[in-house]
Amino acid sequence: DVPLVESGGGLVQSGGSLRLSCAASGFTFSTYWMTWVRQAPGKGLEWVANIKQDGSETYYVDSVKGRFTISRDNSANSLYLQMNSLRAEDTAVYYCARGSKYCPFGWGQGTLVTVSS
Amino acid sequence: QSALTQPASVSGSPGQSITISCTGSSSDFGGYNYVSWHQQHPGKAPQLVIYDVSNRPSGVSNRFSGSKSGNTASLTISGLQAEDEADYYCFSYTSSDTWVFGGGTKLTVL
Repeated sequence: DVPLVESGGGLVQSGGSLRLSCAASGFTFSTYWMTWVRQAPGKGLEWVANIKQDGSETYYVDSVKGRFTISRDNSANSLYLQMNSLRAEDTAVYYCARGSKYCPFGWGQGTLVTVSS
Repeated sequence: QSALTQPASVSGSPGQSITISCTGSSSDFGGYNYVSWHQQHPGKAPQLVIYDVSNRPSGVSNRFSGSKSGNTASLTISGLQAEDEADYYCFSYTSSDTWVFGGGTKLTVL
């Protein structure tokens, strides 16, 4: 049983939008902070966004502020990342992770987003 | 939101110990103890090996240890094994409610 499964990735043109989903199972989703992290091809990990258990606090890396929105639906055990105004530099594998406010400790397998210019 | 600084690569022979450093500024993690380390094998998702500077999650080998002094955190792997060959990333909470990874270190077991 895989606790976190991402979906929604794919190929999109520059300026377009995508919505990533992360389905959680096997743990009490509503009690964890959730995080999105991305990894461009051949590059390192980059923190993208965090959201508190009840969705009342959200935080973003500067490069996605105003373009990406993290949200969650605790009744559906799901995490989301709405990505608008996509750029070529947003091309990456996007991972969701559960954890504390300060540390992700359970990672999904990732979903690939490719932005064509 | 600059990345924390890690060496690009380190290497060691089986049975030896290696240390990977992670350097930031006082505004990065100098004042906090929220440094974690994540292991990533090629083509796989990351896996937590150290949290809150020096704590090991259950199931992680006690060959992994962490420490921090001032603006530098360190991950030490003792008794190197072939399976330890992977990329390692430090991660920290910083001031102004942002989080940052290090650039990553490729560990080669010779």
